[in-house]
Amino acid sequence: EVQLVESGGALVQPGGSLRLSCAGSGFTFSNYDLNWVRQAPGKGLEWVSYISGRSSTIHYADFVKGRFTISRDNAKNSLYLQMNSLRVDDTAIYYCARGSAPYYWGQGTLVTVSS
Amino acid sequence: QSVLTQPPSVSAAPGQKVTISCSGSSSNIGSGYVSWYQQLPGTAPKLLIFDDNKRPSGIPDRFSGSKSGTSATLDITGLQTGDEADYYCGTWDSSLTARVFGGGTKLTVL
Repeated sequence: EVQLVESGGALVQPGGSLRLSCAGSGFTFSNYDLNWVRQAPGKGLEWVSYISGRSSTIHYADFVKGRFTISRDNAKNSLYLQMNSLRVDDTAIYYCARGSAPYYWGQGTLVTVSS
Repeated sequence: QSVLTQPPSVSAAPGQKVTISCSGSSSNIGSGYVSWYQQLPGTAPKLLIFDDNKRPSGIPDRFSGSKSGTSATLDITGLQTGDEADYYCGTWDSSLTARVFGGGTKLTVL
């Protein structure tokens, strides 16, 4: 069974940093592209970042360029999102999602940016 | 303001059919595959349709997708109260080099 489990969400002050993780299981991790997608409270889906299976291709949404960094460790079956210079409007549930569709989604981890 | 445009809400009676539209441009829907997602309250999105009109295993054939030019549609037939959810379309935008989503459509089964 394919599983994606996010962790690392927390309450952080504006300007702070946070690192999210996503653990994959039930599939050959390195074979699949991965995405981070977020959803602010009561709002729609918003794509954040993409990384290819071997990390050769990376894309970011304009609103996170220069602040967020996506990475993966295929040996650990893990995806990461390093978030710096966090803003109040980064408050959201962050989902990791597998594939170009994306096909499988994790349950999400809540990031709250507030003073 | 979402890159893809969906109606905020649609409604229909149980057993009826509903169509949700998703309008884009040549750089997104016009040149890439469209996916559709269902998000029940308090849960993660679930893929309903990928590659414009393909259903993942386990998705009933009451759900179907189609595309024409720069617009896509999701049809749901034989509506059930359990279909009440938010529905999103998504695709890759080659100009933005970003995945884009519609703003979401809330389906109410009256």
